[in-house]
Amino acid sequence: AQKITQTQPGMFVQEKEAVTLDCTYDTSDPSYGLFWYKQPSSGEMIFLIYQGSYDQQNATEGRYSLNFQKARKSANLVISASQLGDSAMYFCAMREILNFGNEKLTFGTGTRLTIIP
Amino acid sequence: GAVVSQHPSWVICKSGTSVKIECRSLDFQATTMFWYRQFPKQSLMLMATSNEGSKATYEQGVEKDKFLINHASLTLSTLTVTSAHPEDSSFYICSAPSQGSGRYTGELFFGEGSRLTVL
Repeated sequence: AQKITQTQPGMFVQEKEAVTLDCTYDTSDPSYGLFWYKQPSSGEMIFLIYQGSYDQQNATEGRYSLNFQKARKSANLVISASQLGDSAMYFCAMREILNFGNEKLTFGTGTRLTIIP
Repeated sequence: GAVVSQHPSWVICKSGTSVKIECRSLDFQATTMFWYRQFPKQSLMLMATSNEGSKATYEQGVEKDKFLINHASLTLSTLTVTSAHPEDSSFYICSAPSQGSGRYTGELFFGEGSRLTVL
């Protein structure tokens, strides 16, 4: 069974500062994928970044980067130069391949990030 | 990029009625779609996996007869909450992988979500 853990229920960060959102996972599968999604108050889920378990380099997408430490089973999201619009809930998720090719995406409990002007 | 559209965004219904929520992939075919439920200030919980041409796969604890899922075509999956009760009030959100197989494509596209309120 897999598990996604986000230990920070909420964070307050000054605008323009960098912020790291923690995510640890637990799986016995050799192949898996890790995602970060942003959910603003409107409820939509916005894809931010993806890291495959076999990817050699840490994923980066603009101001977002994923600090992937496979041995520690952590996949922290780093947001550089935070902006007011970054205030939202952030979810870490892991994709697991089940039997017969079925797949499942499991989410962490989320971190509510608030950017302070 | 790929888009998933969900309808309706908001629905209010009386207790005992049934509500249908549609999830459409607009510019790609999705053989698999996922239905999630999210309670206020909580995470997304996978309810079921919708498979085109076959029965949906439900997660443990999710009532199949309560939450009917039909994957009618490669671009449409529907979730019907039957005989809705106030405890079914929640935010329901669907997602689909950007490619048909969904294997490590790197991205799942989510619908806008549907907020159901049962009076």
